Amino acid sequence: EVQLVETGGGLVQPGRSLKLSCVASGFTFSSYWMYWIRQAPGKGLEWVSSINTDGGSTYYPDSVKGRFTISRDNAENTVYLQMNSLRSEDTATYYCAKDRGLRRALEFAYWGQGTLVTVSS
Amino acid sequence: DIKMTQSPSSLSASLGERVTISCRASENINNYLSWYQKKEDGSVKLLIYHTSRLQPGAPSRFSGSGSGKDYSLTISGLESEDIATYYCQQGYTPPTFGGGTKLELK
Repeated sequence: EVQLVETGGGLVQPGRSLKLSCVASGFTFSSYWMYWIRQAPGKGLEWVSSINTDGGSTYYPDSVKGRFTISRDNAENTVYLQMNSLRSEDTATYYCAKDRGLRRALEFAYWGQGTLVTVSS
Repeated sequence: DIKMTQSPSSLSASLGERVTISCRASENINNYLSWYQKKEDGSVKLLIYHTSRLQPGAPSRFSGSGSGKDYSLTISGLESEDIATYYCQQGYTPPTFGGGTKLELK
């Protein structure tokens, strides 16, 4: 059974940093692209970052580019999201997700339960 | 970025009723369209990918169709466990989601 478990959320002041982790199990982690997706309170879903199988390629939307960094440790079956210079608009529940196929399909087949990040003074 | 517009934004339906949700892209997305179900407990599931392909484990009462810019998700007979918010998502970079359709029981 595929499982994705996110941790690391919490309350953080504007301008500070936070690192999220997502531990995966139930599949060959190193074979799949992984993603972070967020949902702000009362808003829709927003893709936040992508990482390829060996971690050598990463992608971000303009809203987080230069502030967020996605990485992965295939030995630990874990994907991370380092979030720097946090803003109030980054307040959201952050989900990690696994691609459906063995190549990048941008089809988010499995999601974690989410971890809430609140940016506030 | 490709903009995804869902309609309606909310919908009330009775158990057993056929329900259809629409999604329009701002440009042709060549069937790279997925549908997700998000429940109140925060859980999210992929239901349909590539317009009409049922994700393993998704109930067969869910189906998808469409082409070009216009797509739809149909539930052939609403069950209580289907009460959720549904999102479409296009599969070009950057991936973008529709605003969601909240499905409630009448």
